[in-house]
Amino acid sequence: RKEVEQDPGPFNVPEGATVAFNCTYSNSASQSFFWYRQDCRKEPKLLMSVYSSGNEDGRFTAQLNRASQYISLLIRDSKLSDSATYLCVVNPISSGSARQLTFGSGTQLTVLP
Amino acid sequence: NAGVTQTPKFQVLKTGQSMTLQCAQDMNHEYMSWYRQDPGMGLRLIHYSVGAGITDQGEVPNGYNVSRSTTEDFPLRLLSAAPSQTSVYFCASSYRDRFGNTEAFFGQGTRLTVV
Repeated sequence: RKEVEQDPGPFNVPEGATVAFNCTYSNSASQSFFWYRQDCRKEPKLLMSVYSSGNEDGRFTAQLNRASQYISLLIRDSKLSDSATYLCVVNPISSGSARQLTFGSGTQLTVLP
Repeated sequence: NAGVTQTPKFQVLKTGQSMTLQCAQDMNHEYMSWYRQDPGMGLRLIHYSVGAGITDQGEVPNGYNVSRSTTEDFPLRLLSAAPSQTSVYFCASSYRDRFGNTEAFFGQGTRLTVV
């Protein structure tokens, strides 16, 4: 079983739609959680951190469910520019060691005009 | 405002050749790492470093060496290239903020093909 699992998609949605991605992780000791965005043939970039209470950044909302060990990302009012691959990232400990960043395979999103 | 600089961006090697992928960061981050990204596999950690003079193996270290003589530089060496090492390689540097969060900053990647 992979440490971090995501539905690979692709998700094809019309502009203005709401879309949600889920991610599950296997290490119950995981303490830090993130969503990264990766555009085609580019490097991953941090989209947002995920906090226990849930957090929102504009049209993006991230939720964490520790009991079920899953993380979600909700995108409202999708824009064409949201088309990318979204990577779920888990850090099992809070030491900040780069070693501990475990990446999911990513979920591909295409927003259609 | 360079961030993480990786070179080269593209490389073709013949089986058995060796080469070094360069990575440099100007953010004074302690942590640096190398990942490879293959279709359907996500990013897998090759080697990492928690500071100058300290390196350790990640998930897929075989066939690769690293060194960290300075905070800024973290080169990745392919000892004897094999077709299985055809991949996209990303170097990253990261820090831990006062809230315990870690953000990784990535270089632009190196697309390596081994023939």
